[in-house]
Formats: sequence, C-alpha cells, structure tokens
Amino acid sequence: QKEVEQNSGPLSVPEGAIASLNCTYSDRGSQSFFWYRQYSGKSPELIMSIYSNGDKEDGRFTAQLNKASQYVSLLIRDSQPSDSATYLCAVNIPPSGRDDKIIFGKGTRLHILP
Amino acid sequence: GAVVSQHPSWVICKSGTSVKIECRSLDFQATTMFWYRQFPKQSLMLMATSNEGSKATYEQGVEKDKFLINHASLTLSTLTVTSAHPEDSSFYICSALTRRTYEQYFGPGTRLTVT
Repeated sequence: QKEVEQNSGPLSVPEGAIASLNCTYSDRGSQSFFWYRQYSGKSPELIMSIYSNGDKEDGRFTAQLNKASQYVSLLIRDSQPSDSATYLCAVNIPPSGRDDKIIFGKGTRLHILP
Repeated sequence: GAVVSQHPSWVICKSGTSVKIECRSLDFQATTMFWYRQFPKQSLMLMATSNEGSKATYEQGVEKDKFLINHASLTLSTLTVTSAHPEDSSFYICSALTRRTYEQYFGPGTRLTVT
C-alpha cells in the first residue's frame, strides 16, 4: 500500500516564527512532490511543487526534498495568521497501468497564534 | 497557475433525484481529471480517476453505477450522482492534472445537500 504520512497536528506557531511541516512517503519511485493549502470549507490550492533533492524557495515558502530519506518538508517563514490552514502533502506514484496516481497525506492543521 | 472551474458551486436536491456536476479546465488541456469527496473535518477521499475518451477508474468502495463519470473532452469531465440519498451530501471536488509537471489543480468544489 503506497502511503504518504503527515502529522495531523494541530501545529501551533507564534506569528512571525517559522512553521515547519513534514511528510514521509513510501514509494521510492516517486518523482514529483507537492504541497497544497486548504482553508476550511474550500478546495486545496497548490502552493509548491518540487522534483529534485534540495531546497526550493518561493517567497516565504521553502520546500525541501530528500529522496534518500523519502522525506519532504515545507517551511513557512514569518508566519502570518492567514497561513492558518490544513497543509496537504501529495506525491505522485508511478503508474503501473495507464492511470497516473497522486497520493495525498491526511494533512497537518497549522494554527498561527497572533 | 492553471484554472479549473466547477459548476454548480452548491446544489440542494431531493432524495432519489440525480445531480450532475461539471468540471472544466479553462486554460489547459487535461487528459486526466480526478474526483474527490470530502466530509466535514475529514480528509480528501479520491473517488475516481477520469481519463479523456475512456472509462473512469473507480476507487475501492465507490459505486460506479451511482457515481457516473464522463470525460468527453480534454477540458470537461462530469460527475453525475444518481438516485441521491442524504448520505451522499458532501463536498465534491474535481481536479485536473497537467502531465508535463504532474501538478494537479483543483476546482472550487460543489457542496451537495440531499434532503
């Protein structure tokens, strides 16, 4: 069974601090990794994608990938109350048939404390 | 990012009727679209994978005769909930996959209430 694991939280972080969200995955063949943000009652929104080992930065967000450890993380610098949401880690599973497969973790609830 | 629309954004229907939800990729072609369902305070649950021009692949436990999926073009997939019951009330979300990057873009969702 292919899996993507995340701590469900809630993770409480003071405003202005760095929020660190972690994700592990089981399929060593995975090549594409994504972080989505989902506000309550809304659909998920893609915030970062990463395909190679190392760090990828976009504004206040940094995604980190370590394929050897099968580990993906998302850092949010200068956390704002508007960052309070559920963050979903997603990983592509190489297709065994014709269907592409993207597996989502159950998400980490992040709460930024004003 | 790419834009995916969904229609309607919410719908209320009577038990026993059918409801069709449309999902469109507005600025890119999507050979693969996904349909998800999400109950309050729960995780996304993948219902089916929709490939243009072929039959959808349903996840285990999802009734294919109840949730009819048609991916008739590279920009449109539809989900029809047939003979809806109150337990089908949920938030239905579609997404479209960009094959070049494997990024998945979500529609805004459809909130279905069956009375």
